[in-house]
Formats: sequence, structure tokens, C-alpha cells
Amino acid sequence: QVQLVQSGAEVKKPGSSVKVSCKASGGTFYEFAITWVRQAPGQGLEWMGGTIPIFGTANYAQKFQGRVTISADESATTAYMELSSLRSEDTAVYYCAMSRFLRGHTYFAMDVWGQGTTVTVSS
Amino acid sequence: DVVMTQTPLSLPVTPGEPASISCRSSQSLLNSDDGNTYVDWYLQKPGQSPQLLIYTLSSRASGVPDRFSGSGSGTDFTLKLSRVEAEDVGVYYCMHLGTFGQGTKLEIK
Repeated sequence: QVQLVQSGAEVKKPGSSVKVSCKASGGTFYEFAITWVRQAPGQGLEWMGGTIPIFGTANYAQKFQGRVTISADESATTAYMELSSLRSEDTAVYYCAMSRFLRGHTYFAMDVWGQGTTVTVSS
Repeated sequence: DVVMTQTPLSLPVTPGEPASISCRSSQSLLNSDDGNTYVDWYLQKPGQSPQLLIYTLSSRASGVPDRFSGSGSGTDFTLKLSRVEAEDVGVYYCMHLGTFGQGTKLEIK
């Protein structure tokens, strides 16, 4: 059973970037997609985007277009999410999740989740 | 864009009693390509990552007790718990291909 282990908490200044990693333990996510979901304090879940390693492609929620880059290494064991031009509203817990996908790069059945990475944006 | 609206937002339940959560979409979610309806249900227990309960409308994820069931069609979907247990507390989310509902907080009376 694959588990996803994320990198540790980050504290960033406004305007900077953060890169969070998500490493598969016990296997790879090659036949799946990796999606990223964030949760601001006390708020609900918000999908950011995803990548499908077998296609080598990524797509993003409109809200994050131009600010987020999601990628995975060739071995499909580690995925990354980089968010730039950080602002205080980006303070959140960021989750990666292994999911199934459809044509058109949409995602469902996120059935393995990382433990979450807290990103705090503060001057 | 699809909007997913959950009701109620708060759900106090007595242990052993049934419970249901509704999720309504702003447009039909029947996938014309394959006939499936891609509605998932997730539970986020306090202090934990979300976990998948139900996918593709009614398929239970691995290890999910059979007291959880999903149903619905078109724009109206329901998650049912046949008998609530103390371990079921948390926030339940419906989701369609990346669009989440606001969440329903289930608590024990």
C-alpha cells in the first residue's frame, strides 16, 4: 500500500515562493495522478491542480493559474507543488493525494493522502 | 463552473441513529462519455487528512464500513450512514472532479 509523505512545515515572507514535496513510500504513483488540495485555517478543501505522470502533464485550477507549478519526477515517486508570489491568504495546510483521472485531466477518487504541510505566510 | 452545495452544514446525531447528508450540484453530473456520475465523498476527522469514503457516486473505498452508502443522480446526491458511531465525527465533503462542497460537520449529541 503506497503512502505519501510530505515535506515539513514552512514559514515564508510575502512575495516569496514555497515548494512542497510529496514522496511515495512503498511503491509509486505511476498509474495514478497526484493532486494538490489546500485548506486555509478553519476553512474547507480547495483543489489546486494535479499532474498525471504517465502523460507528463499538469493542469491547474483557474484561481492558481500562473502562480502554481505541479510536477513529478520521472520515477513517479516524488511530486512537487510550487506556489509563488505568496500572500497571507496562502497560509494553509497543503495536501497531496493520489487519485484516479479521466481524459481531459480531471480527477476523482483521491484515496491516498499525505499528512499535510503547513505553510505560513507572514512578514 | 459546477457549484456543489451541501446541506445541512451542521449535523448533530445520536449514536446508533441514521444520518444523511445532501449534496446538490448546479448542473447535471452524469458523464455523457461513459455514463458514470463522478461524485466522491470524503471525511476529514479532527486533526487528520481527509479520507475517501465513496467514489463514483456509490462505490465504497477500500476499508470503509458498509454503514456508509452513496446514492443519487443528476444533480442530487446523498451520503447515508445507517448507524452513526462516535468515530464518524468530523467534516464530510462531497466533490465532483475537483469541486468540493462546503462541508458538513457531523457531531455526536
